[in-house]
Amino acid sequence: DQQVKQNSPSLSVQEGRISILNCDYTNSMFDYFLWYKKYPAEGPTFLISISSIKDKNEDGRFTVFLNKSAKHLSLHIVPSQPGDSAVYFCAAKAGSYQLTFGKGTKLSVIP
Amino acid sequence: KAGVTQTPRYLIKTRGQQVTLSCSPISGHRSVSWYQQTPGQGLQFLFEYFSETQRNKGNFPGRFSGRQFSNSRSEMNVSTLELGDSALYLCASSLDLDSWYFGPGTRLTVT
Repeated sequence: DQQVKQNSPSLSVQEGRISILNCDYTNSMFDYFLWYKKYPAEGPTFLISISSIKDKNEDGRFTVFLNKSAKHLSLHIVPSQPGDSAVYFCAAKAGSYQLTFGKGTKLSVIP
Repeated sequence: KAGVTQTPRYLIKTRGQQVTLSCSPISGHRSVSWYQQTPGQGLQFLFEYFSETQRNKGNFPGRFSGRQFSNSRSEMNVSTLELGDSALYLCASSLDLDSWYFGPGTRLTVT
């Protein structure tokens, strides 16, 4: 039973345009959500997070939106840069329990 | 401040052997989690430790075990290795149980 789903295995975007990565979850107990970026042969790097009491959080070029009623969150990257090319993981947690990850979306930013 | 470190970075073992992986968390972080990453499966939670106590455990067979020492360093052990145990093993540490910071991982290959 996959509680966190990233339905797009890959995404290609032109440099300078917006990248939108999507994530859906099924567990209504999840109250904290995170996005990680991962390059090959490296561990995931924390990007941005959002608590369930908010619907938006911004950090520079990265914005995360949370729609609790739809159990959906998205990561917007504006503008996209070639260095953003990586695998992006969505993760969620309920209280003090462990992170549950999606399977990732590979983003390719084309110069 | 140094990040999460994991040793060794690469390991090749044969079926039936056992292996021990090590993780040193960020200084001051008392929580450590372990994840297994395999192609197509994303990051699967193994276990989490806080102050030398296992707080949570994922759905893995008993061949997978771990422990945490008084200095918060953690080890995980896999006994009777199987080909399917080939994966990237990631360790993460946290100060507040919300934000988790990952190490570079140990790439285990079982032949």
